[in-house]
Amino acid sequence: EADIYQTPRYLVIGTGKKITLECSQTMGHDKMYWYQQDPGMELHLIHYSYGVNSTEKGDLSSESTVSRIRTEHFPLTLESARPSHTSQYLCASSEFSGNTGELFFGEGSRLTVL
Amino acid sequence: AQSVTQLDSHVSVSEGTPVLLRCNYSSSYSPSLFWYVQHPNKGLQLLLKYTSAATLVKGINGFEAEFKKSETSFHLTKPSAHMSDAAEYFCVVSVGTGRRALTFGSGTRLQVQP
Repeated sequence: EADIYQTPRYLVIGTGKKITLECSQTMGHDKMYWYQQDPGMELHLIHYSYGVNSTEKGDLSSESTVSRIRTEHFPLTLESARPSHTSQYLCASSEFSGNTGELFFGEGSRLTVL
Repeated sequence: AQSVTQLDSHVSVSEGTPVLLRCNYSSSYSPSLFWYVQHPNKGLQLLLKYTSAATLVKGINGFEAEFKKSETSFHLTKPSAHMSDAAEYFCVVSVGTGRRALTFGSGTRLQVQP
């Protein structure tokens, strides 16, 4: 069973607030990902990390930022939340080599901005 | 660049009848292919994967998929649907490494009627 955890699972906040979505994995994986998923829709990559101190923007433009100071931790931050940020955010990890596509997902953080 | 098309956005079957979820891909190189399942308010879980070994791949919960290079397809099947199979299913193609390696399909929602 995968060991990747996201907190909070659900968050309702007001416009303009700063939020951080936490993601931690205990598998020692180098690659980590943040996906954004609207209800019933496909996943869009918003951030990607090859390893410590290595991050890239994904294919979908996002106002969020990420950091990767430790291998196991990949938090996502929104400095000033807006209603357009309402969505589900999924964190995932994979091994650096081998089967690139085998991702392990957290259960997601569902964000609602009022 | 690779792409993946899930041919049905919704599939409805009766419990005990066969399941077929269709996925076509395009890729300039030999791909790895994956099926993931997402239950409501959960992250994605790997069902099965093809990585250039046997073309008929067996996964968890009785699902299997066959890689057909001539048809560029990787359809997911199950002989007999169970109520617990109701979920969203994503086909994923993976080529190479890096953040552009993975491409997700748009998903197929499977409904299972009693």
